[in-house]
Amino acid sequence: DAGITQSPRYKITETGRQVTLMCHQTWSHSYMFWYRQDLGHGLRLIYYSAAADITDKGEVPDGYVVSRSKTENFPLTLESATRSQTSVYFCASSERTGGRYNSPLHFGNGTRLTVT
Amino acid sequence: AQSVTQPDIHITVSEGASLELRCNYSYGATPYLFWYVQSPGQGLQLLLKYFSGDTLVQGIKGFEAEFKRSQSSFNLRKPSVHWSDAAEYFCAVFHGSGNTGKLIFGQGTTLQVKP
Repeated sequence: DAGITQSPRYKITETGRQVTLMCHQTWSHSYMFWYRQDLGHGLRLIYYSAAADITDKGEVPDGYVVSRSKTENFPLTLESATRSQTSVYFCASSERTGGRYNSPLHFGNGTRLTVT
Repeated sequence: AQSVTQPDIHITVSEGASLELRCNYSYGATPYLFWYVQSPGQGLQLLLKYFSGDTLVQGIKGFEAEFKRSQSSFNLRKPSVHWSDAAEYFCAVFHGSGNTGKLIFGQGTTLQVKP
């Protein structure tokens, strides 16, 4: 089925380890986003990508790395996980029409990451 | 800096009662505004959006929102709440121009519905 999928759904890792969260969308949307959701902070943008090989920082990029070699995939890597990165991570995508942002974000179901 | 504020962290209403969730934004230009809903364990779903034109916009599930430029607000309303409306609601503003931009979210409002 068409949609946006995140994997894994749940992940527990140790401090200092590298972990990659996967995001895959089947709509061929140009834009993809990574958000983290924390109590009291709502959703905060980590990184986003306007197209393959084009990425940019969001509000809270430190400690994260992204890549976008293919339009449909947008993995998020925590290079050396810290406890403060314990969160729920959401991937989203949207298409672009013309030069205006008039298409909604479609969200995955999230990855709950715990760093011990 | 552009921002979105949802003053109410938690709201409880009785089933059948009316609902209003507040959202205030800080943005220099004409904003693109959105309301999303998140059910437990799920991603976010778009309820409605405002880009221009009529300041009262209709969304899914019987929700509507009114854009008031003078008050920098975009409050979400529903005339009669159903138990299934219990969820977390996020207001968001698009920040950017042309082919670059991102969505900035408020902190969210958790809605509890009493039977």
